[in-house]
Amino acid sequence: SAVISQKPSRDICQRGTSLTIQCQVDSQVTMMFWYRQQPGQSLTLIATANQGSEATYESGFVIDKFPISRPNLTFSTLTVSNMSPEDSSIYLCSVRRMGNYGYTFGSGTRLTVV
Amino acid sequence: RKEVEQDPGPFNVPEGATVAFNCTYSNSASQSFFWYRQDCRKEPKLLMSVYSSGNEDGRFTAQLNRASQYISLLIRDSKLSDSATYLCVVDSNYQLIWGAGTKLIIKP
Repeated sequence: SAVISQKPSRDICQRGTSLTIQCQVDSQVTMMFWYRQQPGQSLTLIATANQGSEATYESGFVIDKFPISRPNLTFSTLTVSNMSPEDSSIYLCSVRRMGNYGYTFGSGTRLTVV
Repeated sequence: RKEVEQDPGPFNVPEGATVAFNCTYSNSASQSFFWYRQDCRKEPKLLMSVYSSGNEDGRFTAQLNRASQYISLLIRDSKLSDSATYLCVVDSNYQLIWGAGTKLIIKP
């Protein structure tokens, strides 16, 4: 299964600033997924990132707030823009495994906005 | 009704015991089902896929009941290292819906 390297693992940011999270996959994948998980909550899909086209955002998430880049089949970034304390969360990238074997996740980015 | 529901627990279970929990889903057209394990402050990791006929992996058994729209996870001979949150995931045409997880605590 794919191995995902996600950076940074954690950050503490000032409100109003932006943070870019990177995910590097060790194999080519068509779709990459970006999730948010708030403490004690289930995962919420932010968007699906396809190479060569704009990301598809879920209800409640917009490109201006969470711009995504997908320059090639092994890399993607998610930016959390103009941050507020409500953006404090864990952000995770994910790819689908081959066959019916679920999804693999990056190790997550723990973001705290102060 | 939530699309995927799980009892949040926590389930406090003595080491060596058997524990089972269920997850119900609302979309009858769902096609794939998974159990993930998430340790505190870590990313979710795939525990096992759930097949229509049920499947077993060591001490873990997963079952699917399409008629009643639930999946289950059974852990036998529980170990201290089984303490984690168990998330069920329902996949319908690449739309993943995650349960909020069931917290399991194994006590010595």
